[in-house]
Amino acid sequence: NAGVMQNPRHLVRRRGQEARLRCSPMKGHSHVYWYRQLPEEGLKFMVYLQKENIIDESGMPKERFSAEFPKEGPSILRIQQVVRGDSAAYFCASSPLDDETGNTIYFGEGSWLTVV
Amino acid sequence: EDQVTQSPEALRLQEGESSSLNCSYTVSGLRGLFWYRQDPGKGPEFLFTLYSAGEEKEKERLKATLTKKESFLHITAPKPEDSATYLCAAPKPGYSTLTFGKGTMLLVSP
Repeated sequence: NAGVMQNPRHLVRRRGQEARLRCSPMKGHSHVYWYRQLPEEGLKFMVYLQKENIIDESGMPKERFSAEFPKEGPSILRIQQVVRGDSAAYFCASSPLDDETGNTIYFGEGSWLTVV
Repeated sequence: EDQVTQSPEALRLQEGESSSLNCSYTVSGLRGLFWYRQDPGKGPEFLFTLYSAGEEKEKERLKATLTKKESFLHITAPKPEDSATYLCAAPKPGYSTLTFGKGTMLLVSP
């Protein structure tokens, strides 16, 4: 059973370019979460999505950041006009719709964004 | 504001030297306390979920316990391969999303 798949694993963008990070949840999982991890800081929640719906985006910066989880295909985290402060590891996680073990979420290996 | 606080920030142990990591939380209506392990350059790996005070769970040299205000991750006779950052997290009320502590970086020397 494949885990949460993220790509690209590493991405370098120049200031002002766009970054697109993709996430395929574990098989059977319909909830997707995006987290950001900055050096010396913990994991910070960004957005929680279900298929075609954004459930909670309280951790998402108001500008330049957007996320989607379409009916078909992976979830996408999009960062427009990147700045150096966007350099971080971005982690996607997923959980099943009905999890008997509670709301355990499982993480991918992350996408490391470097803005130069 | 819901908070999850971990201590110590870093811990250095000799191989075989047992110790405990602490996670205190102020999340109202707690619906589980989660422990993860994170290796450098990797995503967090799920370890345990605890749901009620007094609950304990074990996995190899790790044992997690939960009280009404905090959780402990006990490491018995650690080995160098236990070196990692250990994260605890609690779900936001009403949602599945997790609020994470900053983690404890554990280094076990041979």
